Amino acid sequence: GAGVSQTPSNKVTEKGKYVELRCDPISGHTALYWYRQSLGQGPEFLIYFQGTGAADDSGLPNDRFFAVRPEGSVSTLKIQRTERGDSAVYLCASSLRGAMINEQFFGPGTRLTVL
Amino acid sequence: GIQVEQSPPDLILQEGANSTLRCNFSDSVNNLQWFHQNPWGQLINLFYIPSGTKQNGRLSATTVATERYSLLYISSSQTTDSGVYFCAVEPKGGSEKLVFGKGTKLTVNP
Repeated sequence: GAGVSQTPSNKVTEKGKYVELRCDPISGHTALYWYRQSLGQGPEFLIYFQGTGAADDSGLPNDRFFAVRPEGSVSTLKIQRTERGDSAVYLCASSLRGAMINEQFFGPGTRLTVL
Repeated sequence: GIQVEQSPPDLILQEGANSTLRCNFSDSVNNLQWFHQNPWGQLINLFYIPSGTKQNGRLSATTVATERYSLLYISSSQTTDSGVYFCAVEPKGGSEKLVFGKGTKLTVNP
C-alpha cells in the first residue's frame, strides 16, 4: 500500500488482558514511531525505531508497554495487563531518514477501549 | 522539555472566510510539521516547514525559526477544512520524535 497501515482499526478488551497492535510502515521507510492520542489532546510520543532497534523508548509510560520491530519493517506494540487508562487511539508513523529531512507520515490509528 | 502552544484553541468561520492559526514553540527545532486531523481521526500532512514559507493551493505556512513561531493561513475556507489542525516540532538535540501542540479546532459553517 501507499501509506502507513495499522491493524486492527478498533480493539475492545477487558481490564487485565493482553493486546497487540500492528503497524506496517511505508515501504522503504527506515524510521518508525508510535504515539498515543487521548480525547481532545495532541498525539504523545511513545517509542521510536531506527531499523530494528528502539532508538528512543522514553515515552513508554511503564513496563506494561513494549514494542518490537524484528525485521526493520512491521512493528508490534504490546500492552500487558491493560488498564482503563490505556484507552486511547494509538498512532503509528514512519519516515525516510535522509539528510536534514524527517517528514513523518501517520497511519489511521487503532482505537483501543479497555472495559 | 519543549513547549508547543497553538492559538486559538477554537475557531468558527463562515465559508469563504480567511484565517490564521499560530504555533509558538519554546526552544530550537530541527523540524516543524502542520497536520489536519479529519473527523475520522486521520492525520493529513499539510506542510513540512522548519523555516521559510510554503504554499499549497488555498493553504500557506510560514515558520520564523529564530523567533520560534509558525503560522498557517487558510484562505477562502470550505466546509471540508473543518477539523483539528496540529503543529508538531522535532526538538533540536533530541531524538527524532515529534512534540505536538493541543491543536486548533476549526469549524467552517456553510
